[in-house]
Amino acid sequence: QSVLTQPPSVSGAPGQRVTISCTGSSSNIGAGYDVHWYQQLPGTAPKLLIYGNNNRPSGVPDRISGSKAGTSASLAITGLQAEDEAAYYCQTYDSSLSGLWVFGGGTKLTVL
Amino acid sequence: EVKLLESGGGLVQFGGSLRLSCAASGFTFSSYAMSWVRQAPGKGLEWVSSISGSGGSTYYADSVRGRFTISRDNSKNTLYLQMNSLRAEDTAVYYCTKGSARFLGSGIFFDYWGQGTLVTVSS
Repeated sequence: QSVLTQPPSVSGAPGQRVTISCTGSSSNIGAGYDVHWYQQLPGTAPKLLIYGNNNRPSGVPDRISGSKAGTSASLAITGLQAEDEAAYYCQTYDSSLSGLWVFGGGTKLTVL
Repeated sequence: EVKLLESGGGLVQFGGSLRLSCAASGFTFSSYAMSWVRQAPGKGLEWVSSISGSGGSTYYADSVRGRFTISRDNSKNTLYLQMNSLRAEDTAVYYCTKGSARFLGSGIFFDYWGQGTLVTVSS
C-alpha cells in the first residue's frame, strides 16, 4: 500500500489530454513538500520528468506539466503521442512514515 | 554525460548476503547525495536508502534498516549497498540514483538512474 495514491491506469487517444493524479496527506504533499514525477518506459529505468512540482528538466517537452494543490498533485500530458505510453510515478518526502522519500504506486498510461 | 552502472546482483539464498556496487561518472560524485531505489517484479518503485555527499548521513527504509548498509567511496566514485539477511521480499531490480543535491533534504529528487541490477532471493 503506497503512501501516495495514483490511479492504476489511464488512457487517451493520440492528440488528447490526460491527467494523472497523486493524492497524499498532511504529512507529505499537504505539508508543502515538493512533488516530482518519473516516467518509466517499458523495460527501462525510470527517468525524471518533472521536479519541484512544475519544473521540466532539459529535453522534456512543454506539453508535459505538473501542478500541486492541497494534498494532491497532478501530471498533465497534452497532445498525447504513442511514445508517451509508459508508467508514471509521483514522489515526495514524508515526515511521518518509515519511508522518508516515498513514491506513488504508479499509473500505466495507455495510448489508444 | 552522467552515467551510473550497477553491478553485483544475482541469485542468493534466503538469509544470504550480497553487495551491490554503482560506478558513477560524468559529475562530481562527492558533491551529490546518492540513493538506492528498488522495484519488485511487476510492482512500483520503493525507496531503499540514501547517503549524503560526504557519506556522513545515511537513511534507510524501515523494511531494510538493520539489514542493509549504504556506503560510498568518493575516491573511487562508487556507491555500495551491502545487503544481509536477505528475504524473498527483497527480490527486485535495484536502481542506483543520483540525488539532486549534496545534502539529504526534504526536497531532494532522483535526477539520474542507472539501468538497474536484479537481485533474486530464493527460498
